[in-house]
Amino acid sequence: AQTVTQSQPEMSVQEAETVTLSCTYDTSESDYYLFWYKQPPSRQMILVIRQEAYKQQNATENRFSVNFQKAAKSFSLKISDSQLGDAAMYFCAYRRGNFGNEKLTFGTGTRLTIIP
Amino acid sequence: DADVTQTPRNRITKTGKRIMLECSQTKGHDRMYWYRQDPGLGLRLIYYSFDVKDINKGEISDGYSVSRQAQAKFSLSLESAIPNQTALYFCATSDLRGTDTQYFGPGTRLTVL
Repeated sequence: AQTVTQSQPEMSVQEAETVTLSCTYDTSESDYYLFWYKQPPSRQMILVIRQEAYKQQNATENRFSVNFQKAAKSFSLKISDSQLGDAAMYFCAYRRGNFGNEKLTFGTGTRLTIIP
Repeated sequence: DADVTQTPRNRITKTGKRIMLECSQTKGHDRMYWYRQDPGLGLRLIYYSFDVKDINKGEISDGYSVSRQAQAKFSLSLESAIPNQTALYFCATSDLRGTDTQYFGPGTRLTVL
């Protein structure tokens, strides 16, 4: 069974600084997708970034980028120029790539605090 | 308007009561999901549906049932609520013809006393 591990329950960063959230996963599959979701206090789950395992290039979305290390099964999220609105729970998630298997497996989350 | 809506947003009920949580989407997606979020455990899949005639159990389906009334509507029922079903419940959708990304509703906070 696939598992996703987020080893940092809480992180904090000074506003405008850079922070990296860690995620590791365990799978025997070669075709899969990885995601980072953000959950602010409003509790809405918001997609931050998505990575296909077959792509070597790391995904980026504005201030958000990932460091995808397939061999190490690591998928960290880097937030640059942190803003107060980035304060939230961040969840890493895995999905197997085969047709018919849409199950997302989530990590337990990292709570990010932004220090003004 | 939100693409994925859930009603109610908050609900307090008593042990033994039947309760239904509803999810509607205007995204035109064919796949819909129900997840449960507990503190410290992340989100776990309860049920999922690939189309109106296709319902599948997730990893924690015991004590729950679902109904896919139409492509746009997917309801989750607790036939006899118990306190350990107190949690945040999320509906999500995805599109077979598009990307594999799941889009979530705003969540329903359910408290069972």
